[in-house]
Amino acid sequence: QKEVEQDPGPLSVPEGAIVSLNCTYSNSAFQYFMWYRQYSRKGPELLMYTYSSGNKEDGRFTAQVDKSSKYISLFIRDSQPSDSATYLCAMSDTGGFKTIFGAGTRLFVKA
Amino acid sequence: DADVTQTPRNRITKTGKRIMLECSQTKGHDRMYWYRQDPGLGLRLIYYSFDVKDINKGEISDGYSVSRQAQAKFSLSLESAIPNQTALYFCATSDPTGTGKTYEQYFGPGTRLTVT
Repeated sequence: QKEVEQDPGPLSVPEGAIVSLNCTYSNSAFQYFMWYRQYSRKGPELLMYTYSSGNKEDGRFTAQVDKSSKYISLFIRDSQPSDSATYLCAMSDTGGFKTIFGAGTRLFVKA
Repeated sequence: DADVTQTPRNRITKTGKRIMLECSQTKGHDRMYWYRQDPGLGLRLIYYSFDVKDINKGEISDGYSVSRQAQAKFSLSLESAIPNQTALYFCATSDPTGTGKTYEQYFGPGTRLTVT
């Protein structure tokens, strides 16, 4: 069993749609939960991070963590063509000694 | 200028050749990482270094070696390249002593390696 599972997609939505991206994980030691965004031919960049369970909102983006279910989500409201990218979930233990990444979900937002 | 740079950006090499990928950073971070990215498999850790004297194997270190020449430089070598090492390679840094986004990793632009 992989430590983190993420559907690679691709996911194609019309402009303005609400997008839901998800990951499941198995290691309960993870305390930091992150979403990275990777544009074509670029390195990943941190989009959002959350410590432990709960929600965090930043503009059109909302990250949710449910540690009891080992499930994390990223919601994108009013999606734009510029949101077209690969989104990777990541999680880390306290101290940052171990960080793992999901396979990434490729998102296309059509104008 | 970019904080994390990688050279070369693209490389085509033949089976059996030795190749080195280089990473430099100006962020002043102690921790550095090498990943490879393959479609459907995501980022997999090859080696990591928490300071100049510390080198650790990651998930997929077989066939690779590294050298941490200085705080700012971390090189990845393929001693005898094989076709299944064809992938996108990323270097990253992190600074766990910093404030704010403590566990953020900062990635370079990547090196696309093709082994024929």
